[in-house]
Amino acid sequence: EAGVVQSPRYKIIEKKQPVAFWCNPISGHNTLYWYRQNLGQGPELLIRYENEEAVDDSQLPKDRFSAERLKGVDSTLKIQPAELGDSAVYLCASSLGAGGHTDTQYFGPGTRLTVL
Amino acid sequence: QQQVKQSPQSLIVQKGGISIINCAYENTAFDYFPWYQQFPGKGPALLIAIRPDVSEKKEGRFTISFNKSAKQFSLHIMDSQPGDSATYFCAASTGSARQLTFGSGTQLTVLP
Repeated sequence: EAGVVQSPRYKIIEKKQPVAFWCNPISGHNTLYWYRQNLGQGPELLIRYENEEAVDDSQLPKDRFSAERLKGVDSTLKIQPAELGDSAVYLCASSLGAGGHTDTQYFGPGTRLTVL
Repeated sequence: QQQVKQSPQSLIVQKGGISIINCAYENTAFDYFPWYQQFPGKGPALLIAIRPDVSEKKEGRFTISFNKSAKQFSLHIMDSQPGDSATYFCAASTGSARQLTFGSGTQLTVLP
C-alpha cells in the first residue's frame, strides 16, 4: 500500500514569494492533516479536513496561508507571501476518519521549505 | 502554550542498554498517548500508544509506562539497537486520535 505522497520534497524561495505544497493521502483515508514542524520541535497542526470540509483550521495563519482539498482526496497548502519565519518542514498526514483511538495518523515525508 | 513537555532533548546509550524518554502533560482531558518515531528525511510513524485505563503497554522491546496521578508517561526501549537511533515524539489527544499535541522530541543515538 502506498503511503502519503508529498511534493516537492524541498523548496527554496525568496521572502515575499508564493509557494505551494501538494499532498496525496493514502487511498480511502477521509481525514487529512497539514502540520508544520519547526527545527527541533514536534509537529503542530495547521488544518484538518474531513473529506472536503476544513473542520479545524484554528492554527492556520489565515492572512497568508490557505489550503484546499478538492474532491476530498488531494490537498494543496499555499503560503503567499512567504516570510523568513515560515522556514520549516510541512507535513501532511492522513487517517481513515473512523474516529476513536484507532484512527492512526500516517505521515508523509514532508516538504522542507527554506525562505531566504 | 506547550501542553506536553518531553525530556531529555537528546539521549545517547550503548547498544543493549535501556533508553528512557519521559513526558508530562497538563490537560487532564487527554485520553490517548501515542509515541512516534521519526528518522531523518521521513515523517513520524506511530510506534506504540496507550490509553489511561492501563498503566503499562508493551510491544516487543518498546514499553509505555503511564502514571495518571502524576500526569506523566514514559517510553522504555529495552536492548536498544543502533537501528533505534531516531527522534522520538510523545503526543497526547482528547476524544479521538485526531487532535494530537506533540512533545518537542528526543533525539536518541544508540552507539554500536
